[in-house]
Amino acid sequence: QVHLVQSGAEVKRPGSSVRVSCKASGGIFSSYAFSWVRQAPGQGLEWMGGFIPISGAPNYPPKFQGRVTMTTDESTTTAYMELSSLRSEDTAVYYCVTYDSTGYYLGYFDHWGQGTLVTVSS
Amino acid sequence: DIQMTQSPSTLSASVGDRVTITCRASQSISSWLAWYQQKPGKAPKVLIHKASSLESGVPSRFSGSGSGTEFTLTITSLQPDDFATYYCQHYNDYSGTFGQGTKVEI
Repeated sequence: QVHLVQSGAEVKRPGSSVRVSCKASGGIFSSYAFSWVRQAPGQGLEWMGGFIPISGAPNYPPKFQGRVTMTTDESTTTAYMELSSLRSEDTAVYYCVTYDSTGYYLGYFDHWGQGTLVTVSS
Repeated sequence: DIQMTQSPSTLSASVGDRVTITCRASQSISSWLAWYQQKPGKAPKVLIHKASSLESGVPSRFSGSGSGTEFTLTITSLQPDDFATYYCQHYNDYSGTFGQGTKVEI
């Protein structure tokens, strides 16, 4: 059973960047892939991008291309999401999620981190 | 990109009711659909994947059906613990679009 623990809440200024980490334990790190999902206050879930097993590379939706970078470090079993050029609309809870990496494409999200609140405010 | 549309946005129900939530895809997604439940202040939890496969540990009062572009999540005999927001999601693609959510309230 995979357990995901995310880094703590952040307060950032507009225009700055934030990096959120997600430490995984349990299971075999190479057997699952990571995505990131965010949820603005009172709003729904929004997929920000994630690793596509068949390519081994992250895919980002157009909305986030150029602003988000997702990486993983197998040596520390940790995933990272960095979002740059922050604006107030980026205030949200950010979740890391995992899914089976043995398929070709994005899997369904069977494990979730606890969420990290990022507040963007001047 | 494939768009996912849920209805209704809000649903008022009582304990013991049968509840049905609909999710429509903008194009065929075969059976590549998951349903999630989210309670306030908590991370979502997967209930169903591949349109109708119940995740381990999920009560059997939850069921999913559909394929192509139209899907449903049914809760038979709604329990107090089921009052939450439900999301559908398309997967097995290069993206993972969610529906906008359906809040089930008393």
